[in-house]
Amino acid sequence: KQEVTQIPAALSVPEGENLVLNCSFTDSAIYNLQWFRQDPGKGLTSLLLIQSSQREQTSGRLNASLDKSSGRSTLYIAASQPGDSATYLCAVNGNKLVFGAGTILRVKS
Amino acid sequence: DAGVIQSPRHEVTEMGQEVTLRCKPISGHNSLFWYRQTMMRGLELLIYFNNNVPIDDSGMPEDRFSAKMPNASFSTLKIQPSEPRDSAVYFCASTSVFGDSNQPQHFGDGTRLSIL
Repeated sequence: KQEVTQIPAALSVPEGENLVLNCSFTDSAIYNLQWFRQDPGKGLTSLLLIQSSQREQTSGRLNASLDKSSGRSTLYIAASQPGDSATYLCAVNGNKLVFGAGTILRVKS
Repeated sequence: DAGVIQSPRHEVTEMGQEVTLRCKPISGHNSLFWYRQTMMRGLELLIYFNNNVPIDDSGMPEDRFSAKMPNASFSTLKIQPSEPRDSAVYFCASTSVFGDSNQPQHFGDGTRLSIL
């Protein structure tokens, strides 16, 4: 059974810092891995999707990496802003999405 | 473009009542998913459909839960009878290609369900 773990559970940083969110998974037989953002009272917004054959994906200040063999992914956020404050969820797609518990990020101005 | 549309946004009802949650996926998307989110268990997949056919309902917690997708633009999730432990946020998501693809899932804003 696939299990997804996200570390840290919560993170508070001053504006402008670069930060890294971590995701690990137990079964490397995956199609892709996705990072989502969830704002309070809202649904999930897809940030980045990395296919199993890829090593990383970039979108603006976000960069996600994937090491399938070791069962790890990281989401790097450069020059963090208060608007980045949200919960970040990692989801692994075998034949269905399995989500981690998320990292609650607070960026202080 | 309209995203995934869910209704109602909030539902408060007494235990024992029937609850129906509704979802309209993004036009052209072939796969639809129902998830439940709670503090204790996080986000869990309940069921998903591909081309209107249920593919995996192993996440449906009990026989009290049922889901249908009568056509490509509409799905329902029903709970009958409802119980307080069913209180959660229920999300619907859709995607154009599921499985080994580069297409992400798009989520609705969810239905916040409270069973008293």
